[in-house]
Amino acid sequence: NAGVMQNPRHLVRRRGQEARLRCSPVKGHSHVYWYRQLPEEGLKFMVYLQKENIIDESGMPKERFSAEFPKEGPSILRIQQVVRGDSAAYFCASSLEGSTNEKLFFGSGTQLSVL
Amino acid sequence: AQTVTQSQPEMSVQEAETVTLSCTYDTSENNYYLFWYKQPPSRQMILVIRQEAYKQQNATENRFSVNFQKAAKSFSLKISDSQLGDTAMYFCAFTHNYQLIWGAGTKLIIKP
Repeated sequence: NAGVMQNPRHLVRRRGQEARLRCSPVKGHSHVYWYRQLPEEGLKFMVYLQKENIIDESGMPKERFSAEFPKEGPSILRIQQVVRGDSAAYFCASSLEGSTNEKLFFGSGTQLSVL
Repeated sequence: AQTVTQSQPEMSVQEAETVTLSCTYDTSENNYYLFWYKQPPSRQMILVIRQEAYKQQNATENRFSVNFQKAAKSFSLKISDSQLGDTAMYFCAFTHNYQLIWGAGTKLIIKP
């Protein structure tokens, strides 16, 4: 009963390095969402992807951040040249149909710490 | 602007008591869905209950129920017969396009 799998669970990077966060959705789900959570705050939407397509990236910074969800393999959130402000928990969620009332299945997140 | 306000940063109650978590939101849309999610120490978000805004009847899910007041844009969560396993962060959220708009959460502690 594989849910959403995110790895790594913890990631430490020095300023200027690249961070790659992986998300494998629930088997059969083709809709993936990335959210960021800062301490003491709720989640903030970053990007919504279907297989091979970015549907909505309105919450993702224009620079240094990119996301993909290839035909095969996990979804990747990539942060280039990380800065201390990128330190946060990054959550991935998936759904079967992408409809607004649909239950989202969440992973346990990747905690990114930038030194 | 789409916002969610959870005015109680932290609450604690004794096991078996009833507790209500408050949530107000702001949206100009008429059709949307509201959710309560639970985040235990494992960090994984777990759906507790959801409500469709065009339905007047309040959603219930076992010990969990909501008081949805659409005109007041209020969506509180009531947990009856609270259990130790209910200890977690609770987040209120609603849909806006493809996104969920989230509150900052309420930390709920159930004391034995």
